Amino acid sequence: SQTIHQWPATLVQPVGSPLSLECTVEGTSNPNLYWYRQAAGRGLQLLFYSIGIDQISSEVPQNLSASRPQDRQFILSSKKLLLSDSGFYLCVMTRDRGYGYTFGSGTRLTVV
Amino acid sequence: AQTVTQSQPEMSVQEAETVTLSCTYDTSESDYYLFWYKQPPSRQMILVIRQEAYKQQNATENRFSVNFQKAAKSFSLKISDSQLGDAAMYFCAYSGGSNYKLTFGKGTLLTVNP
Repeated sequence: SQTIHQWPATLVQPVGSPLSLECTVEGTSNPNLYWYRQAAGRGLQLLFYSIGIDQISSEVPQNLSASRPQDRQFILSSKKLLLSDSGFYLCVMTRDRGYGYTFGSGTRLTVV
Repeated sequence: AQTVTQSQPEMSVQEAETVTLSCTYDTSESDYYLFWYKQPPSRQMILVIRQEAYKQQNATENRFSVNFQKAAKSFSLKISDSQLGDAAMYFCAYSGGSNYKLTFGKGTLLTVNP
């Protein structure tokens, strides 16, 4: 079965520090991968998506970036975190939406 | 751009009763999927039900069913015989286009009263 490993589960970082969140996929190849952010009490906002290695599309301009160095690895980064970057970050994948989407367990990021 | 609207930020229902959560969407595409996801306090997203746009028959999964009105672009979720474990945030989501992006509504927080 398809699974997503996402870590860390919780992270507290000071303003201005760098960020690296990683998500890896098991059980499939060539998935579409997505990074979403969920702010407190709000819906899920799509940040980046990737349909293949080194193919990244950005949905929202911000100080975050994403990379996909390997087929089943998707990384969310920042050089300098802002307070507004706090939230719950979810990695999501699909091979065929007819079969549905697989969600990671998420990372709760608090920028202090 | 596609948008998904959930007009009910919060809903409550008595245990064993029926509740309907509303969702409308806007799209110019003809081929798409619609989903309802449940997010409990653990934040793990759980698929509740899925509907393919080209299928006219409403999807049903045990106590969960949808009322899919394609012309009206409406996709409501009905939960029958509500249980305490149904309490959670519910998200309506749309997937269309070649990149399979999921667009979510803002969610409806469902409370089930004993």
